Amino acid sequence: NAGVTQTPKFQVLKTGQSMTLQCAQDMNHNSMYWYRQDPGMGLRLIYYSASEGTTDKGEVPNGYNVSRLNKREFSLRLESAAPSQTSVYFCASRELSSYNEQFFGPGTRLTVL
Amino acid sequence: EDKVVQSPLSLVVHEGDTVTLNCSYEVTNFRSLLWYKQEKKAPTFLFMLTSSGIEKKSGRLSSILDKKELFSILNITATQTGDSAVYLCAVERGGGSEKLVFGKGTKLTVNP
Repeated sequence: NAGVTQTPKFQVLKTGQSMTLQCAQDMNHNSMYWYRQDPGMGLRLIYYSASEGTTDKGEVPNGYNVSRLNKREFSLRLESAAPSQTSVYFCASRELSSYNEQFFGPGTRLTVL
Repeated sequence: EDKVVQSPLSLVVHEGDTVTLNCSYEVTNFRSLLWYKQEKKAPTFLFMLTSSGIEKKSGRLSSILDKKELFSILNITATQTGDSAVYLCAVERGGGSEKLVFGKGTKLTVNP
């Protein structure tokens, strides 16, 4: 039982390049989330997916797109990376049928030059 | 706009001290409040609080929620160097919204 996994762990991009961050969970959770964490800013929600086939914007969605490929996988895409997107990205999942916490992946450290 | 404010933002103590971390919130349709510990990696879950006045306890850590005054505290007694971390408070809205709103965190440093 791996929990929440993310790939890659580290990535360096040039401005304008695109990339996709992958996230998968093996806990059969319905809800999945993408956050970014910047120094002194806590965690800010980018997008979330309450269930397979649905996605919704969070606090800071501009410059990102997401795909909920199936119940296990939730990917985050940067179409044209900008230096302001340099951050640590965390994926999380949760079962909302009762009061449960979110489980976080190990994070992806992204640098955009 | 939903808001979660943690204080202090940073705290340095000596091993053995007791610390209290604060979290105040303004959230529409409150459902629960969560505390996480974050070392140099992903946040790990500590507590979920849904009812006022009921203390949650795990070893040297405890937390309580006051829904009337809209705040929670996280207490750590007999601190150890391994308690050094960023402590995050998050509040969940009910009413069908799946989102957590996080505070900026309190960075705790415990010196030997």
